[in-house]
Amino acid sequence: KAGVTQTPRYLIKTRGQQVTLSCSPISGHRSVSWYQQTPGQGLQFLFEYFSETQRNKGNFPGRFSGRQFSNSRSEMNVSTLELGDSALYLCASSLVGDYNEQFFGPGTRLTVL
Amino acid sequence: SQELEQSPQSLIVQEGKNLTINCTSSKTLYGLYWYKQKYGEGLIFLMMLQKGGEEKSHEKITAKLDEKKQQSSLHITASQPSHAGIYLCGADPITGGSQGNLIFGKGTKLSVKP
Repeated sequence: KAGVTQTPRYLIKTRGQQVTLSCSPISGHRSVSWYQQTPGQGLQFLFEYFSETQRNKGNFPGRFSGRQFSNSRSEMNVSTLELGDSALYLCASSLVGDYNEQFFGPGTRLTVL
Repeated sequence: SQELEQSPQSLIVQEGKNLTINCTSSKTLYGLYWYKQKYGEGLIFLMMLQKGGEEKSHEKITAKLDEKKQQSSLHITASQPSHAGIYLCGADPITGGSQGNLIFGKGTKLSVKP
């Protein structure tokens, strides 16, 4: 079974631009979660999608948004990029149900100049 | 809101030595996860603990959840260079199972000297 894939792996943008990151979950997984990881704040939850609906949202500004498609693939978008958005963005997929292990992708390294 | 504190923040051990990493929660834990991360890469699932007093082992790694379900420890026996990386504990912030939004500790960076 293929693991979680994320594209692109690396991205360089300038302030004010917008960016879209993509995540393909493991086949059969319907839940996709997004996390931001920075040296200062660590790993922080952005949002989670299940069956094309945002089920949970972390404490991030509205510039961060996401969506999920019918095939469970997910995208996240960051508009009006700021220097502080530079981070490793990780997505994780899991099966439906209680206490499900989340499988993480390799991440997208975003650098904002 | 729930917070997870990991200690130590970093650890350097000689190959072959044992070590322990701790994860303390500000609230009762309902599902505690241990992950390992190589620098700049994704997280690799190690173990999940749910019940107070539960202990799980995989190869040379053992994780425990204390009876009060507010602290977990990860113990590595006879460390090897392959154990090097960042260890993260994560928890479900609500009762009743995972809703896909784990909270994480800041991580413990482990270096193993050959």
